[in-house]
Amino acid sequence: EVQLVESGGGLVQPGGSLRLSCAASGFTFSSYAFTWVRQAPGKGLEWVSSISTSYSTYYADSMKGRFTISRDNSKSTLYLQMNSLRAEDTAVYYCAKIHVAAGTDYWGQGTLVTVSS
Amino acid sequence: QPVLTQSSSASASLGSSVRLTCTLSSGHSSSIIAWHQQQPGKAPRYLMKLEGSGSYNKESGVPDRFSGSSSGADRYLTISNLQSEDEADYYCETWDSNTRVFGGGTKLTVL
Repeated sequence: EVQLVESGGGLVQPGGSLRLSCAASGFTFSSYAFTWVRQAPGKGLEWVSSISTSYSTYYADSMKGRFTISRDNSKSTLYLQMNSLRAEDTAVYYCAKIHVAAGTDYWGQGTLVTVSS
Repeated sequence: QPVLTQSSSASASLGSSVRLTCTLSSGHSSSIIAWHQQQPGKAPRYLMKLEGSGSYNKESGVPDRFSGSSSGADRYLTISNLQSEDEADYYCETWDSNTRVFGGGTKLTVL
């Protein structure tokens, strides 16, 4: 069974940093690309960042320079390092597995990040 | 990059059918999309991949009541014999080489 379990969310002050983790199981982690998607309270889904099997990284414009996506295939874990956090980054952050040409086919349960003083 | 447009809300009666629409922006009318369902308080769930030809592939476990179709730049999700558990937000997703894009979502109310 495919499982994606996020952790690392919490309350952080504006300007602070946080690292999210996503532990994967039930499939060959190294064979797939992954993505982070966030959802602000009461809002829709917003793509944050993606990483390919060859470690190429992609970011939404508002996250470039502040967020860094990475992966550790030996640990089957995806990461999102978030720096210079702003109030508008408050959201539930989901990690998700990408199936090439089929979309985001498995989602984690999400982890809540709250940026507030 | 592509843009996806969805109506913000839809409603239909229990046991009836409803068709939700996702429209691709100009220049992307042949793109593949994915449909996702998000029930209240839950994470999104992948429903299917839908091609411009109208061919679709559903995720295992998605009821037969869910189907997809296409016309030009429009991608449809049709839910037949609506059940109370179908009340949810529905999002379409597409992608290119560098980005992924989600539509704004349609909130479906089952009356």
